[in-house]
Amino acid sequence: AQKVTQTQTSISVMEKTTVTMDCVYETQDSSYFLFWYKQTASGEIVFLIRQDSYKKENATVGHYSLNFQKPKSSIGLIITATQIEDSAVYFCAMRGPYQGGRALIFGTGTTVSVSP
Amino acid sequence: EAAVTQSPRNKVAVTGGKVTLSCNQTNNHNNMYWYRQDTGHGLRLIHYSYGAGSTEKGDIPDGYKASRPSQENFSLILELATPSQTSVYFCASGDGGNSYEQYFGPGTRLTVL
Repeated sequence: AQKVTQTQTSISVMEKTTVTMDCVYETQDSSYFLFWYKQTASGEIVFLIRQDSYKKENATVGHYSLNFQKPKSSIGLIITATQIEDSAVYFCAMRGPYQGGRALIFGTGTTVSVSP
Repeated sequence: EAAVTQSPRNKVAVTGGKVTLSCNQTNNHNNMYWYRQDTGHGLRLIHYSYGAGSTEKGDIPDGYKASRPSQENFSLILELATPSQTSVYFCASGDGGNSYEQYFGPGTRLTVL
């Protein structure tokens, strides 16, 4: 069965610094897709970035980047030059099996607090 | 930009009552999903659908039914609401194909007293 684990429950950082959060996953599939979502204080859930398992390059979108370590089944999210508005809950997710409608399998989330 | 809306945004129900949560998407995605979010659990899949007329059970379907009368609309139905169903419910859509991302609605906060 597929599983996503985020062990860091919360992280506090100063504005304009870099924050890194961890995620490990389990899957039997040879090809898979990993995602990071952000949940804002208002509850809105927004897609941030995606990593395809067959790609060796780490995905980057704006000031979000991924540290994909396939042998360790690890997909870390890195946010550089953090801003106050980066304070949120960040969820790691994996695309589920076809038989499950390709629903997402989520980790439990990491709360990031950015202070001025 | 994908657009997913949910109604109501907040709902207070009584134990044993019937509750219907509605979701509408305007991006013509085939797949739609209902998740619930509880502290310590992340988001968990309740029901999903492949298209109009299709509903499938997810990981935690007990106590819930779903209805997909059209491509755009997907409802979650609690026939006999219980306090354990107090949660935040999110609807999402995705095309299940090349665009692997899912787009989420704003959520519905349900309190069952």
